[in-house]
Amino acid sequence: AQTVTQSQPEMSVQEAETVTLSCTYDTSESDYYLFWYKQPPSRQMILVIRQEAYKQQNATENRFSVNFQKAAKSFSLKISDSQLGDAAMYFCAYRSAGGATNKLIFGTGTLLAVQP
Amino acid sequence: GAVVSQHPSWVICKSGTSVKIECRSLDFQATTMFWYRQFPKQSLMLMATSNEGSKATYEQGVEKDKFLINHASLTLSTLTVTSAHPEDSSFYICSARVGGANTEAFFGQGTRLTVV
Repeated sequence: AQTVTQSQPEMSVQEAETVTLSCTYDTSESDYYLFWYKQPPSRQMILVIRQEAYKQQNATENRFSVNFQKAAKSFSLKISDSQLGDAAMYFCAYRSAGGATNKLIFGTGTLLAVQP
Repeated sequence: GAVVSQHPSWVICKSGTSVKIECRSLDFQATTMFWYRQFPKQSLMLMATSNEGSKATYEQGVEKDKFLINHASLTLSTLTVTSAHPEDSSFYICSARVGGANTEAFFGQGTRLTVV
């Protein structure tokens, strides 16, 4: 079974600085997707970024980028120029590429605080 | 973009009663919907996968007779918590997939259930 581990329960960053959130996963599959979701205080889950395992190039979305190391099974999220609105719980998630259901498997989350 | 709406956003019910939560895909047809439960400061736990026109697939440890899921149309899935007890108090989130197994899933805003 696949597992997702986020070893940082809480992180803090100064506004305008850069922060990196860690995520590791375990799988025997070769084809899969990895995601970072943001859950602000409103509790609405928002997709931040997505990475296909078959792509070597790291995904980027504006101030958000990932460092995907497939061999190491590592998938970290870098937030550049942090803003107050980035404060939220961040979840790393895994999804198989094959199969009929392809459910998301979430990590335990990292609570990010942004200091003004 | 794809919008998933959950109703109600919050509900308080008496112990022993049943409560129904609706999950609607507003601008797309969702053949598959997922129901999650989230305890405070914890991750999302998948309860069941709901496919339109067929029985839901429940995760191990989830009581199917207590958490009734119905996916009667391509835009609506419902979760009914039957004979609710205080320990059922939680945050329930649904997500709906836009298309096939490898397409994106979008989340509803969640429902906070409090059983008194």
